[in-house]
Amino acid sequence: QKEVEQNSGPLSVPEGAIASLNCTYSDRGSQSFFWYRQYSGKSPELIMFIYSNGDKEDGRFTAQLNKASQYVSLLIRDSQPSDSATYLCAWLNFNKFYFGSGTKLNVKP
Amino acid sequence: DVKVTQSSRYLVKRTGEKVFLECVQDMDHENMFWYRQDPGLGLRLIYFSYDVKMKEKGDIPEGYSVSREKKERFSLILESASTNQTSMYLCASSPRQGYGYTFGSGTRLTVV
Repeated sequence: QKEVEQNSGPLSVPEGAIASLNCTYSDRGSQSFFWYRQYSGKSPELIMFIYSNGDKEDGRFTAQLNKASQYVSLLIRDSQPSDSATYLCAWLNFNKFYFGSGTKLNVKP
Repeated sequence: DVKVTQSSRYLVKRTGEKVFLECVQDMDHENMFWYRQDPGLGLRLIYFSYDVKMKEKGDIPEGYSVSREKKERFSLILESASTNQTSMYLCASSPRQGYGYTFGSGTRLTVV
């Protein structure tokens, strides 16, 4: 079973803080990881992907991948109330994604 | 921007009915997918397609079938709707292997 595990939360952070979202995976052959954001009542939207060990930055978002420890993280700097959503970690196996169940983030003004 | 359009936002159907969920994408993407999303279970893959007239089973294909007669359109069929198929159904497409998905807005199906 190819599994992606996420803490369901909710994770609450104050506005302006760093939000740290984590995901672990079970398949050592995993190569590519994607983060999707899903607002309540909406469909997921792609925000970042990472293939290589280390960090990848895009604006306020940083994805971190550690293949040895089998985890991937998403850091959101200067969190805003508009970042409040559920964040889905997804592992790409050839052409299919396997999704975690998501972590709900609440950013309090 | 790629658009993935699902024909209905909300549907209510009766047990035993045959249900068609339609999905159309406008960017010539090769790959199309159908997922269902349920609280606590996340997104689960039902069927996917890499090409016209081609289909492959995902993780939970039982009770469903699909059709892809044209590249831009991927239909999900519930042969005989049951109450345990009440869910949010999400269609997605991607240009080719290794690329992220673009999702449609979803169809919330209630089977009564």
